[in-house]
Amino acid sequence: TAGITQAPTSQILAAGRSMTLRCTQDMRHNAMYWYRQDLGLGLRLIHYSNTAGTTGKGEVPDGYSVSRANTDDFPLTLASAVPSQTSVYFCASSDSPDRGNTGELFFGEGSRLTVL
Amino acid sequence: GQNIDQPTEMTATEGAIVQINCTYQTSGFNGLFWYQQHAGEAPTFLSYNVLDGLEEKGRFSSFLSRSKGYSYLLLKELQMKDSASYLCAVMDSNYQLIWGAGTKLIIKP
Repeated sequence: TAGITQAPTSQILAAGRSMTLRCTQDMRHNAMYWYRQDLGLGLRLIHYSNTAGTTGKGEVPDGYSVSRANTDDFPLTLASAVPSQTSVYFCASSDSPDRGNTGELFFGEGSRLTVL
Repeated sequence: GQNIDQPTEMTATEGAIVQINCTYQTSGFNGLFWYQQHAGEAPTFLSYNVLDGLEEKGRFSSFLSRSKGYSYLLLKELQMKDSASYLCAVMDSNYQLIWGAGTKLIIKP
């Protein structure tokens, strides 16, 4: 059972370079999310998508972009990385919480990104 | 503003009971979640409360009082593997999750 898969697991990136973090789920969940997790700050939402073809901004969207061309894939792109984007990034998915589901999130294993 | 408060760190003894509290102020309420996160790993779902009262699931129980904006996670018969961070999250009226910073639980033998 795959669930939700992220790649790469870890990456070191030079400042100014671009990077795409990949996320794929096989649970046919409508909603997908990208979070970053920094020590002492908890999970912060970057972008989300309630259904294929739509995306929305979360709490900390600046410097990041996403696309949702189909149900399964939700890549996160850093166009020009900066050191403050050093973090652990988690992709997650859920059934739509506004359709009678609890909205329980299923997380990928995370991508540790270091920007130098 | 919306916020979730939970203690930063707690210490407990193997075999004992520990209660992790979470208080919240959010725009609306559509449920409260507890997740467990071991160091270096992804969060995993523990419990969901949408009505007042206690939900029991094995050694773990979660309580909710919507009128007080309060929840707790109760862990019984603590084991060393319970050493982890415990994250409280509330779903607001827009079905967005508001996360606490997490409580790091340290279990001592």
